[in-house]
Amino acid sequence: EDQVTQSPEALRLQEGESSSLNCSYTVSGLRGLFWYRQDPGKGPEFLFTLYSAGEEKEKERLKATLTKKESFLHITAPKPEDSATYLCAVQATGTYKYIFGTGTRLKVLA
Amino acid sequence: EAGVAQSPRYKIIEKRQSVAFWCNPISGHATLYWYQQILGQGPKLLIQFQNNGVVDDSQLPKDRFSAERLKGVDSTLKIQPAKLEDSAVYLCASSSGLAGGYYNEQFFGPGTRLTVL
Repeated sequence: EDQVTQSPEALRLQEGESSSLNCSYTVSGLRGLFWYRQDPGKGPEFLFTLYSAGEEKEKERLKATLTKKESFLHITAPKPEDSATYLCAVQATGTYKYIFGTGTRLKVLA
Repeated sequence: EAGVAQSPRYKIIEKRQSVAFWCNPISGHATLYWYQQILGQGPKLLIQFQNNGVVDDSQLPKDRFSAERLKGVDSTLKIQPAKLEDSAVYLCASSSGLAGGYYNEQFFGPGTRLTVL
């Protein structure tokens, strides 16, 4: 069965304390893996798409990487404004499936 | 560029009543998605349109939920009759890529928060 699992469920960091969020997936074939950020009361905001193992994308303090079984979202020197829920989603090949994980709630303390 | 628009933003109804949500995607986006997001969970895809045709509705509870996308632009999602477990945020998203293909990063609207009493 296709599924996406994110860990940890919640993470508290001090400002400047770097860390990584994990997204592990099981799909018959991966078309793409997506990272989104969701602030309370808002819809998810697109961050990155990764298509193949070894691929990396960066945006400001965020860096996403992809292997054949999982993706990591690395947050370097986070700031309080990085506090949000980070969602991972996968799109499977050969279908129209688009599966989201349950997200990691990140809180960055000043 | 205008984003995805949704209305209403909030809706409170009694169980067994009907409700409808409206979505206007980003101009030119071929694919439109409706999601249900229950508090503390990730979005769950309900239905996916490419232009005005349904490409996947495998997770749509068809006994009570319906959706349409007339003229391949805006879309409505209806629940009739509503149950308590339908309380959730209903998100609409659109993407420029074709369903099942590449370049399917999705752009989401603000959502409609539905409370069923």
